[in-house]
Parts: sequence; C-alpha cells; structure tokens
Amino acid sequence: GQNIDQPTEMTATEGAIVQINCTYQTSGFNGLFWYQQHAGEAPTFLSYNVLDGLEEKGRFSSFLSRSKGYSYLLLKELQMKDSASYLCASRKDYKLSFGAGTTVTVRA
Amino acid sequence: EAGVAQSPRYKIIEKRQSVAFWCNPISGHATLYWYQQILGQGPKLLIQFQNNGVVDDSQLPKDRFSAERLKGVDSTLKIQPAKLEDSAVYLCASSRSEGMGEKLFFGSGTQLSVL
Repeated sequence: GQNIDQPTEMTATEGAIVQINCTYQTSGFNGLFWYQQHAGEAPTFLSYNVLDGLEEKGRFSSFLSRSKGYSYLLLKELQMKDSASYLCASRKDYKLSFGAGTTVTVRA
Repeated sequence: EAGVAQSPRYKIIEKRQSVAFWCNPISGHATLYWYQQILGQGPKLLIQFQNNGVVDDSQLPKDRFSAERLKGVDSTLKIQPAKLEDSAVYLCASSRSEGMGEKLFFGSGTQLSVL
C-alpha cells in the first residue's frame, strides 16, 4: 500500500467550513485525487492535484504539498448534501490507491 | 455519455459457492479496474487492465479470484470458492488511459454477501 492517512470522522454545522487532511508516501508519487462517496453509492471525482498549491472549484478546494506528502480538501459553505465519505487517493506510477475515507456529517 | 455499467447490483451466496460479476466500461476507455471495498474501508485495487492486457494484479487472491477482459471491452470478475471475508462491494471503474491525471469513473458496484 501507499500508507494514506486521513481522519476517520468529522462533524460540522451547515454553512461552516471543514478541512480534511491527508498524508501519503512521497516515493514515486505522481498525483493526488479526492473522491466523494455517498452511502451506498459509487465514488465520484472531486479534484486532482499534481503540482504544489491550491486548486479551487466552487465550494471545494484542494491543496497539495509534494515535499511534505500532504494534501487537504476544503469544503466551504457546507450543505446537508455534503454529508458523505471523502476519499484521498494517491497515484504511484500507473496505480491509484485509496485511503480509508473520512466520513463528514453535516448538522443543521 | 453512458456511465460504467455493472451487474448484478446485489448478490447473496453461501460460502464455497462461486459468483461472477460483469462490467461494461465507458465507451473508448482503455483502462479498466476492479476494486474491492469492505465496509468502512477505502477501495482496494484487485486488478487493472490496459485494453485486454493485465497491468497489475498483485493484490488479487489468485487461488480463488480470476478476471478477464476479452476484446478489451467488457470484463468479468469471478470468485470460486467464496469465503466469508469476500463480503464487500466490488466496484468496477474505467479511465481513458493510464495517464497521470486521468480520472476514474466508477460503476454503482455489486454488493456481495457471503453467508
């Protein structure tokens, strides 16, 4: 595996901001993906980072630091529909490996 | 654009029985993946095909699992005989290629329960 670590659970209030951190092994690294997975459904693509820095896409942003083996997904203006599992996935060569996922619960 | 199709959606079998899952990737996608997702865990890659050739099957339990992708399109994953620990969701995904930034598109998965 690629030792991808992310928190198991996070809870936040509707309208708030949540940051999900992810660390991974840096050897052979060539890309970091974030996927969203609602309960009982397939994962869907959120973002891709390969260079250092912040990628913003609407309410969701993703950050990467290659030297530190670190990424985060930032969810802003949280909505109830954002309650889901968020999967960090690291690409090494041609192979994409997933972390266990962070379950985000949004409360009213 | 049609998505990744998988069948069946659910399957319940007894241990030691055999089972097969089918996947039809997005048209034109050269790379096809089978992942196993156990409840509460992230997806684990079982096998990856590039067209009809195997790129990686290092985590496939080859004594009981087999997969093929004839003609580089549809794929089937088989388990024979099944064990209790095989209970999981089996996700098929496809991408245009193995390229660095190519995102994976997932099917709805097959939920397998082994009793």
